[in-house]
Formats: sequence, structure tokens, C-alpha cells
Amino acid sequence: QVTLRESGPALVKPTQTLTLTCTFSGFSLSTSGMCVSWIRQPPGKALEWLALIDWDDDKYYSTSLKTRLTISKDTSKNQVVLTMTNMDPVDTATYYCARTTATYSGSYYFDYWGQGTLVTVSS
Amino acid sequence: DIQMTQSPSSLSASVGDRVTITCQASQDISNYLNWYQQKPGKAPKLLIYDASNLETGVPSRFSGSGSGTDFTFTISSLQPEDIATYYCQQSGKLTFGGGTKVEIK
Repeated sequence: QVTLRESGPALVKPTQTLTLTCTFSGFSLSTSGMCVSWIRQPPGKALEWLALIDWDDDKYYSTSLKTRLTISKDTSKNQVVLTMTNMDPVDTATYYCARTTATYSGSYYFDYWGQGTLVTVSS
Repeated sequence: DIQMTQSPSSLSASVGDRVTITCQASQDISNYLNWYQQKPGKAPKLLIYDASNLETGVPSRFSGSGSGTDFTFTISSLQPEDIATYYCQQSGKLTFGGGTKVEIK
């Protein structure tokens, strides 16, 4: 049974750095084809992909946010960590992590999701 | 960056109706297109991957088609439990469309 759970602060101040942890079970990030992604969704708005880390420790970032994002993994702990610097009120959103499967053709799909964690940016 | 344009942004249909949502990519993406369903207050759920492959356990009334720049998602007979927002996603660069909110008339 695959599960993922996001954890981190519910409230951060502008200019601070956000650190979110995704703790997962039921799969291994050392298995070929396995990845974990972070996605966010501002209240009432659409989904936005942020970052992906794969089994080979390759990392991919949203073009618009890549200067602010860092993704990393701890395979032994079954955790993936996302940091986002210089937080702003527009970054207020529910942040999700999702298991991501990479296909042989080079596509990806998000087949299991965490429940999400709401992060509010306010002074 | 590849832009994904979904239409309509919302629709209202009756139970049993056939519902169609389109997604257009700003450049050729082959069949690299996923569809997700998101119910209010819940995480999204994968329905279709690589344009037309139904995820395991997803009812067969859901289907997807298309390649290149133009894609279609269809619910063959709308059910009350299908009320949700549906998103397409370019599965190479992972960009999402703006979503289509489906309501019951």
C-alpha cells in the first residue's frame, strides 16, 4: 500500500524559507522508474508542478521557480524534502507530494498523492 | 515553456449526459498527456496517462484520446460522483492546464 504524507509549518513569514518533508511508504525511491514530485495549489486556483526527484537522484524544477527551489531525498528514511526560499504571500497554497512513475518513453504520471498541507505566508 | 489550454473552464450537464473536455498544447507533445480528477477538498486522482491509457481501477466511462497538440477527455455517461474539477497535464514537462469544473445541471 502506497502512502505519502506532507509535513511542515502551516504559517511562514514573508522572506522566510519554507521546508516541507514528504514521508512515504509502499515503494522505494531507489527503484528504477520511481520518483517523487511536489505540486502546489493556491486556494481556488489550478495545480502547479514545482519539482521532481528521481531514483537516480536527478532533479527537475519548474522554470518559473527554479531559482527558489531545492529538492532532495533520503532514501534510507523514505523522505523527500523541498525547500523554497524567499516566501511571499502569493506562495500561500496547499502543497502536495506525489509518487511519480517514469515510463520508458520518457513521460511521467502522478499515481499516488498525499493529502496536502496548507501553507500560509503572512506577517 | 509548453502551455496547456483547457476548455471549457466550467460546464453543467445532466446525469447520463456525455461530457467532453479539450486540452490544447502550445506545441507537439506526442501522446504525453495525463488527466486528473480533483474533488473538493481532496487531492487529485490520476484517471488517464499517456493520452488514452486508463489507470487501474478507474471506471470505463472515462476515456481520453488525441496526440500532437489536441486532446479530448470524455465521460460517456455523467454520474453524480463525477462532480469535480478535471485537469490535463503535459507529462513530459509536467505543466498542468487550468482545469474544468464539472457540475450537475
